[in-house]
Amino acid sequence: QSVLTQPPSVSGAPGQRVTISCTGSSSNIGAGYDVHWYQQLPGTAPKLLIYGNNNRPSGVPDRFSGSKSGTSASLAITGLQAEDEADYYCQSYDSSLSGRVFGGGTKLTVL
Amino acid sequence: QVQLQESGPGLVKPSQTLSLTCTVSGGSISSGSYYWSWIRQPAGKGLEWIGRIYTSGSTSYNRSLKSRVTMSVDTSKNQFSLKLSSVTAADTAVYYCARDRGSYLAFDIWGQGTMVTVSS
Repeated sequence: QSVLTQPPSVSGAPGQRVTISCTGSSSNIGAGYDVHWYQQLPGTAPKLLIYGNNNRPSGVPDRFSGSKSGTSASLAITGLQAEDEADYYCQSYDSSLSGRVFGGGTKLTVL
Repeated sequence: QVQLQESGPGLVKPSQTLSLTCTVSGGSISSGSYYWSWIRQPAGKGLEWIGRIYTSGSTSYNRSLKSRVTMSVDTSKNQFSLKLSSVTAADTAVYYCARDRGSYLAFDIWGQGTMVTVSS
């Protein structure tokens, strides 16, 4: 059971927009700690996709965006492409655990 | 650019100690205000933060693993290491090392990961 809750899977057709939610609590996202997102392509290491709730590292397309409100955060992907098919993880800090926590991951399927 | 590479035995016997090393290349492990973390992922499952170390030797561990984890750093070799004692099959996973920008911040560079199997 992950501290941050994500839907196990989402899907969308090429060109569409999808969102992935990440729900936390008052000891992590709701406490104001930043949310970060990682993309894990099949058989590879995770890659930082969004940091500090809504910032993209250099090289990440602007099709990817993040937002945060209350105890939840979301990752949005617009103009869906086949190469976006991957697992996506949210991550934050939890004050009650005094450590970093991840969501359980969401598998994105491009139809 | 900075790259990380994990190394260590791929097979560890139950009750023994898992030992892994992460070598940092393309930059000094001591430059910048970075921490260095270990993260693991059992097959088909999610990510779990194990802990982190600063170049001063200061550490912070996941509470669920704290009693079994030891991390160290060797700045002369540009390496940091993980030891996990009394391993069981539940510790079988891909282990990643990552550059950690700070307690509330992101892991911005990851190693490729190394698979460790706990089995007799």
